[in-house]
Amino acid sequence: GAGVSQTPSNKVTEKGKYVELRCDPISGHTALYWYRQSLGQGPEFLIYFQGTGAADDSGLPNDRFFAVRPEGSVSTLKIQRTERGDSAVYLCASSLTGGANYGYTFGSGTRLTVV
Amino acid sequence: ELKVEQNPLFLSMQEGKNYTIYCNYSTTSDRLYWYRQDPGKSLESLFVLLSNGAVKQEGRLMASLDTKARLSTLHITAAVHDLSATYFCAAFSGGSNYKLTFGKGTLLTVNP
Repeated sequence: GAGVSQTPSNKVTEKGKYVELRCDPISGHTALYWYRQSLGQGPEFLIYFQGTGAADDSGLPNDRFFAVRPEGSVSTLKIQRTERGDSAVYLCASSLTGGANYGYTFGSGTRLTVV
Repeated sequence: ELKVEQNPLFLSMQEGKNYTIYCNYSTTSDRLYWYRQDPGKSLESLFVLLSNGAVKQEGRLMASLDTKARLSTLHITAAVHDLSATYFCAAFSGGSNYKLTFGKGTLLTVNP
């Protein structure tokens, strides 16, 4: 596609529920990143995929969070037993391999609210 | 661990004035990125600075990188209201993961 697509754009869920956030990167971009942005803060790294594999998941806050990218394109960020502190905007970005030289394209984000 | 600090965090300017936003980072990084974010929107890439001494300009914005000082600047010339937004710098952590570490952002308000 023309850009990075994230769905849903907004998600409200009850504490303790399970949620899935989807990211569809730019076609041909092998690198995919998830970031989390809390109000008034800069984005914080969660996980990086190169192809199908998670090359770096050091930013995932705990084992309630995990992400997959089974075919090397679309990725899903999954959050179990959601807590109010998980409320944030979850951003996805993609880049060409060696994306450090070309920059990263971000999606519009999913605003997650846990009530 | 790479840390990125921006200042100021809040900047209120009058139209027509010049100002500079500063971005310091704590460990070696040879790539620096500037993004713009409008309220409720995602991040728009402004500049990718790839080497020491790099300078890039687009319209009223100019960014530079000094890797020895671990400093990048975003200079605004003759500000206009349309430049009102939050500006983030991000440094590349290096290695094979291409992770970006962001500053907290500078909220720029340009007043008529």
